[in-house]
Amino acid sequence: DADVTQTPRNRITKTGKRIMLECSQTKGHDRMYWYRQDPGLGLRLIYYSFDVKDINKGEISDGYSVSRQAQAKFSLSLESAIPNQTALYFCATSDPRQGGPGELFFGEGSRLTVL
Amino acid sequence: RKEVEQDPGPFNVPEGATVAFNCTYSNSASQSFFWYRQDCRKEPKLLMSVYSSGNEDGRFTAQLNRASQYISLLIRDSKLSDSATYLCVVTGGKSTFGDGTTLTVKP
Repeated sequence: DADVTQTPRNRITKTGKRIMLECSQTKGHDRMYWYRQDPGLGLRLIYYSFDVKDINKGEISDGYSVSRQAQAKFSLSLESAIPNQTALYFCATSDPRQGGPGELFFGEGSRLTVL
Repeated sequence: RKEVEQDPGPFNVPEGATVAFNCTYSNSASQSFFWYRQDCRKEPKLLMSVYSSGNEDGRFTAQLNRASQYISLLIRDSKLSDSATYLCVVTGGKSTFGDGTTLTVKP
């Protein structure tokens, strides 16, 4: 089983719908992240959390919200999806005490299409 | 200006070639540096960390120049399986990704 699991892996939805992408991890890491990737571009940070009570905006947080329900779970929500949120979304974890400072461990990605 | 800038691709090279990718970063307080590899829209995976002293892993060599705020990745004796997108990542609290450089190694 993957250490970082994202659900759903693929989703097609319509403009205005609420969507939640879920991420769970078995690595025991405190730090979790949500990134978005558009074709030809690198990953851009949406939100990140360094522990259960900590939520921080990334560079492109508008239109998104997150919830850190437990150390192992970090959910990303689109309250009212719009077509330019069509992208590949990655959840990641890290722990400077394991695997070297700053190394990120990614889920397999969630491909979201907003029509 | 982007925080992390990479050589625009794509790079198309024959098997056996040596290829180098460059990356510059703007935040002088950045602490850690990495190269990740991403295959065909799959999740990025760590290729190697980058240290000031330089580090080598088989055919791959990474270098960091803090004074010039520049990192590089050298791939020697390219293989078909090296075809991928290479992402430069700079970390200072949170990680910032370059847009990636696509490498295609041809027979």
